[in-house]
Amino acid sequence: DQQVKQNSPSLSVQEGRISILNCDYTNSMFDYFLWYKKYPAEGPTFLISISSIKDKNEDGRFTVFLNKSAKHLSLHIVPSQPGDSAVYFCAASAEGIGNDMRFGAGTRLTVKP
Amino acid sequence: DGGITQSPKYLFRKEGQNVTLSCEQNLNHDAMYWYRQDPGQGLRLIYYSQIVNDFQKGDIAEGYSVSREKKESFPLTVTSAQKNPTAFYLCASSQRINQPQHFGDGTRLSIL
Repeated sequence: DQQVKQNSPSLSVQEGRISILNCDYTNSMFDYFLWYKKYPAEGPTFLISISSIKDKNEDGRFTVFLNKSAKHLSLHIVPSQPGDSAVYFCAASAEGIGNDMRFGAGTRLTVKP
Repeated sequence: DGGITQSPKYLFRKEGQNVTLSCEQNLNHDAMYWYRQDPGQGLRLIYYSQIVNDFQKGDIAEGYSVSREKKESFPLTVTSAQKNPTAFYLCASSQRINQPQHFGDGTRLSIL
């Protein structure tokens, strides 16, 4: 049962343009969302997060948008750089007892020079 | 310099053998996790621990076992009961449960 879905396995953009990575979730109890970035042969690294009380969080070139009614979040990278080429995972969790963080399958972003 | 260390990076196992994957963190984090990643799938939780001497099953705990005798260490044993153990295994930790996690670089397990 995939509660977090990243429907695009890959995305290719030109350097300097915007990259938009999408993520959908099904569990309405999720109230905290995260994006991780993963380079080959390394573990994922935390990139940015957003709680359900916000609809936008920005950190430098990275902005995450949350649309609770659509159960959808997106990560915008502006401007995209070749070093951003990696696999991006979205994750979601609900406040409460225990751990229920769920990860999407990932989207491989390629930024072409 | 703080982080999570997983060893070994590559591991081979004969059928019917148990094998233990190591995970050590020096971040002073309370919570630790083990995930399995298969091609085309997200990270699936095997076990997690919120505190020393306590751990809980995740979604795919069958065929695996863990221990948390020290805050810094959370080893995962893949037992012979795990029928499809070939995968990439990731260990992670966080200050507390459901906070952003720091990941190790993973161990790739293969069956000979």
